Amino acid sequence: GAVVSQHPSRVICKSGTSVKIECRSLDFQATTMFWYRQFPKQSLMLMATSNEGSKATYEQGVEKDKFLINHASLTLSTLTVTSAHPEDSSFYICSARDLWGGSVSEQFFGPGTRLTVL
Amino acid sequence: GENVEQHPSTLSVQEGDSAVIKCTYSDSASNYFPWYKQELGKRPQLIIDIRSNVGEKKDQRIAVTLNKTAKHFSLHITETQPEDSAVYFCAAVNSGNTPLVFGKGTRLSVIA
Repeated sequence: GAVVSQHPSRVICKSGTSVKIECRSLDFQATTMFWYRQFPKQSLMLMATSNEGSKATYEQGVEKDKFLINHASLTLSTLTVTSAHPEDSSFYICSARDLWGGSVSEQFFGPGTRLTVL
Repeated sequence: GENVEQHPSTLSVQEGDSAVIKCTYSDSASNYFPWYKQELGKRPQLIIDIRSNVGEKKDQRIAVTLNKTAKHFSLHITETQPEDSAVYFCAAVNSGNTPLVFGKGTRLSVIA
């Protein structure tokens, strides 16, 4: 199946700093990628939908100025957590679909990024 | 928008027994229903999926059933093994550009 990579896998940063997470589709083109956040023992919560060449669509309650999303190419989307605080510590996961496959199909997930803000 | 409810939140079974997890969805336009298995600290892994034009699908010990009229779908795991222990998520979606909506998850423990 299609492969989605994510980097870094783990990051520890000080409060107030910014962290960039990259999500890449390795063997397919993804016009749309999705960013999820998962707190311990909870489900995946959608943060935003990232569209290549246009602005991301954010879910209610997600601050677009804090979580900057850039989808510069058909294989790369980045999420930047600006001025991170301890409450932003979480597991961030991106995903994408291979839209050339036609109808709705499997959503492929990256391996996730564990962010810890001290 | 779509809302997916999942039950139970935790489930413990003896090794060899069957496990059933149930989900309901709200959007009648949803037409794709995957199930994911997630181990601690790892990405969700697709284990089986079903489309709205099919009522049942089976893959070895895993099966999924779909009742479109009632907007229910269920995961069935037979002959459970300790390695089946994980968190399982159901999800639903209705088009290619919209994201999956997940249930809250079921923590399955298979006791040897």
